[in-house]
Amino acid sequence: DGGITQSPKYLFRKEGQNVTLSCEQNLNHDAMYWYRQDPGQGLRLIYYSQIVNDFQKGDIAEGYSVSREKKESFPLTVTSAQKNPTAFYLCASSIGRRNTGELFFGEGSRLTVL
Amino acid sequence: EDQVTQSPEALRLQEGESSSLNCSYTVSGLRGLFWYRQDPGKGPEFLFTLYSAGEEKEKERLKATLTKKESFLHITAPKPEDSATYLCAVQDPGNQFYFGTGTSLTVIP
Repeated sequence: DGGITQSPKYLFRKEGQNVTLSCEQNLNHDAMYWYRQDPGQGLRLIYYSQIVNDFQKGDIAEGYSVSREKKESFPLTVTSAQKNPTAFYLCASSIGRRNTGELFFGEGSRLTVL
Repeated sequence: EDQVTQSPEALRLQEGESSSLNCSYTVSGLRGLFWYRQDPGKGPEFLFTLYSAGEEKEKERLKATLTKKESFLHITAPKPEDSATYLCAVQDPGNQFYFGTGTSLTVIP
């Protein structure tokens, strides 16, 4: 079945450690996104990529990094510079910039800093 | 600045009691308005896309409508399994998406 796969579903990190969240899609979508969701807040955009080998910062990119070496994959690294990383992280994809199309989401990854 | 505001923040309904959720938006050049359902600990599940004022979409007990300034998600005769958080999002001409904070719906048997 086509869709978006995020892993791991739960992740625990000690302070000072970098962690990487995986996101893979087999929908043949050009655009991919990472959002952060905190209780009582809307989804906030961390990074997005409209095409392979290109990505842009979103509203809250500080302390995060991404890569887009393959169309199917858009991993997110939460670095030690992120001051408050405990959150629910959502990866999404859409057809791409020339098309109007809904976002499709993965099941999310919950990161907890110990 | 593009904004999306959803109301109410939370809604409790008796089973069978119909109601509506509101999503008001300010965006230049709306490309699409989207409704999602999100269950606790899960990713949002796509429900509807609306593109222009006057458009309506239906799915089971849900019907979404769109005007130039807002969208409504009407829930007819809800069941307990309709309990979830409903998110609204808009897409601007730059292919950016803006989300509201959601309405948490609880349907009581």
